[in-house]
Amino acid sequence: ETGVTQSPTHLIKTRGQQVTLRCSSQSGHNTVSWYQQALGQGPQFIFQYYREEENGRGNFPPRFSGLQFPNYSSELNVNALELDDSALYLCASSLGRTNTGELFFGEGSRLTVL
Amino acid sequence: AQSVTQLDSQVPVFEEAPVELRCNYSSSVSVYLFWYVQYPNQGLQLLLKYLSGSTLVKGINGFEAEFNKSQTSFHLRKPSVHISDTAEYFCAVSDWNTDKLIFGTGTRLQVFP
Repeated sequence: ETGVTQSPTHLIKTRGQQVTLRCSSQSGHNTVSWYQQALGQGPQFIFQYYREEENGRGNFPPRFSGLQFPNYSSELNVNALELDDSALYLCASSLGRTNTGELFFGEGSRLTVL
Repeated sequence: AQSVTQLDSQVPVFEEAPVELRCNYSSSVSVYLFWYVQYPNQGLQLLLKYLSGSTLVKGINGFEAEFNKSQTSFHLRKPSVHISDTAEYFCAVSDWNTDKLIFGTGTRLQVFP
C-alpha cells in the first residue's frame, strides 16, 4: 500500500508567477483535499475533489484552482503568486466523505514566494 | 462559523511526566473532533477521533482525549510522555454538513530528558 506522495517537496517562485503542485492519493482513495499551512498556523482548507468533481471550497480566491484525474491523483494550481502564498501545501486523501473518516496526509510541498 | 482554540502554543515537559494539551471548539451543532500529530518534516497523522458514544477516546501511542460537551472541550492527555512524542499537535473539528476540517493553530510539545 503506497501512501500519499507530493511533488515537488520544495520550490521557490517570484511574485506573479504560476505554480502547479502534484499529489498522488493513497491506493484505493477517491477523495483528495488540499490544505495551506502558513508558518506557525494550522492547516487551512483550500478545496476537496471527489471523483474528479470539486466538492467543497474554503475561503481562497479563484486563482487557487485544482484538478483530479481519473486515477484520483490531483493538482493544485496557483496563479499570480503573492508573497502571502508562501506556505506548506498539504494534500490529504481519503475514501469517500472526510467529515467522519481519517485523512491521510502527504509530507507537503513547501512553496516560497520571493 | 466553527472555530478551534488551542490555548497553549508550546508545552515543555520532562520525559515520563504526564501532559495535557488543551483544545476548545465553538459550534452549535453536532461536531466531530480530531487530534492530529505532525512530526518534523512530515505530514499530519491522525492520533484519535470522537464521532459519538463514549466521551473518553483512546488513540495511538498511548494518547487519549475526553469530549466535554458542556465545556466545549476536547483535551488531549498522555500519562507518561517519551522523547519521541516531541511534535506539533493539532486539534480539528468538522460537522455532518461539511467535508472540511477546521484546525487549531497547534501546540508544540517539547519533551526534555
